[in-house]
Amino acid sequence: DTEVTQTPKHLVMGMTNKKSLKCEQHMGHRAMYWYKQKAKKPPELMFVYSYEKLSINESVPSRFSPECPNSSLLNLHLHALQPEDSALYLCASSQSTPGKLFFGSGTQLSVL
Amino acid sequence: AQKVTQAQTEISVVEKEDVTLDCVYETRDTTYYLFWYKQPPSGELVFLIRRNSFDEQNEISGRYSWNFQKSTSSFNFTITASQVVDSAVYFCALDYSGGGADGLTFGKGTHLIIQP
Repeated sequence: DTEVTQTPKHLVMGMTNKKSLKCEQHMGHRAMYWYKQKAKKPPELMFVYSYEKLSINESVPSRFSPECPNSSLLNLHLHALQPEDSALYLCASSQSTPGKLFFGSGTQLSVL
Repeated sequence: AQKVTQAQTEISVVEKEDVTLDCVYETRDTTYYLFWYKQPPSGELVFLIRRNSFDEQNEISGRYSWNFQKSTSSFNFTITASQVVDSAVYFCALDYSGGGADGLTFGKGTHLIIQP
């Protein structure tokens, strides 16, 4: 199994909603990542978990809250988002750091 | 600070032509890794190659080849006999061996259009 699975694939939410993005991998990887990608732009690193501990927070607003319940799962909790947060949110994992990142197909988020 | 520059925003060629995507990087680290990823319209980033800074051998994989030159800080990617399925956005990326999980620094990407 060489897949990173992200759910949901599409999400539309209002600015007052609370929602969560989920990511799962069963490759035994110990590093997991959240990236944000705006249209026609490269992915931007948001969070990195290494051995289930948050190791980098790239000054992301607190309305984004990551969680790593175990080594296979990664969540991104969303609250009070702004329309400019609309983007493709990509999850990735890697066996080692630095290493080859395996990416999921992303969650396309629209904030109304 | 790390930086990756892909100067070609968009390239359009006719099928079966060869095409080269340029990548220039900047880093102060002596040990680092370079990557190429492909992002088709479906959105998923697909790994193509990883090269470490001590391995300057060129690599060929089918119609794909990569030319790594430390002297010019470049890691260029060539597709030979391009096909319509090669149409995608291609990202060059850099990571350094800092001992921690730092993620990738991406270039801005090159949108490759292969016309039938």
